[in-house]
Amino acid sequence: NAGVTQTPKFQVLKTGQSMTLQCAQDMNHNSMYWYRQDPGMGLRLIYYSASEGTTDKGEVPNGYNVSRLNKREFSLRLESAAPSQTSVYFCASSEGWNYNSPLHFGNGTRLTVT
Amino acid sequence: GDSVTQMEGPVTLSEEAFLTINCTYTATGYPSLFWYVQYPGEGLQLLLKATKADDKGSNKGFEATYRKETTSFHLEKGSVQVSDSAVYFCALSELKGEGGSEKLVFGKGTKLTVNP
Repeated sequence: NAGVTQTPKFQVLKTGQSMTLQCAQDMNHNSMYWYRQDPGMGLRLIYYSASEGTTDKGEVPNGYNVSRLNKREFSLRLESAAPSQTSVYFCASSEGWNYNSPLHFGNGTRLTVT
Repeated sequence: GDSVTQMEGPVTLSEEAFLTINCTYTATGYPSLFWYVQYPGEGLQLLLKATKADDKGSNKGFEATYRKETTSFHLEKGSVQVSDSAVYFCALSELKGEGGSEKLVFGKGTKLTVNP
C-alpha cells in the first residue's frame, strides 16, 4: 500500500505565484487533512475534510483553499503565495472523524516562497 | 483552549540509555492522548495512544501512562537505540459535545538524537 501520497516533494515559488499541492490516499479513509509544520510551532491544521463532499477551516486557513475531489484526493491551493507560507505541508487521512482514528501522514511537501 | 506542552529539545542520549520526554496538557474535558513520531524525511506516524485515565499505551518498547491527576502523558523507553532518533510529538484530541467539532492538538515536538 502506498498510503498517503503527496506531490510535489519540493517547490520554490515567487511571491504572488499560485500552485496546488496534491494529496491522494489509497486506504479508503473518510477524513483528510492539511497541516503545516514550522520550526518551533509543531503542526497546525489548515483545512480538513471530515467526509467526501465537506470541507472546513482549521486553525490557520487564511491564504489557502482546498478541494475534496473525491474520496481519495484532497488538494490544497495557494492562490497568491507569500513568504509567510514557506513551510513543510503535510497531508493526512484517517478512517473516521473521531478521536480514536489515528492519522496517517504523507511525507510532506517542502515549499519555499521567495 | 486545549493545549499540549512538551519538554524543550533537543535531547541527546547514548545508545541503551533511559529516555523520558515530558508532556503535559490542558483540556476542558476528557481528551484522548497520543504520541506521534517523525523520522527524518518522513511524515508523522502514530506511536501509541491512551483514551482514558490510567490507560498505558505501548509500542516498540515505548510506554506512556495517562495521568489525569497530573495532566501528563510522559513518554518513556528503557533502552534507546540509534534507530529511535526522530522528532516526537505529544498530541491530544477531544470531542466537543454531541455533534461538535474535534481536532488534534499537537505539541511543538522534541528532537531525540541517539548516539552509538
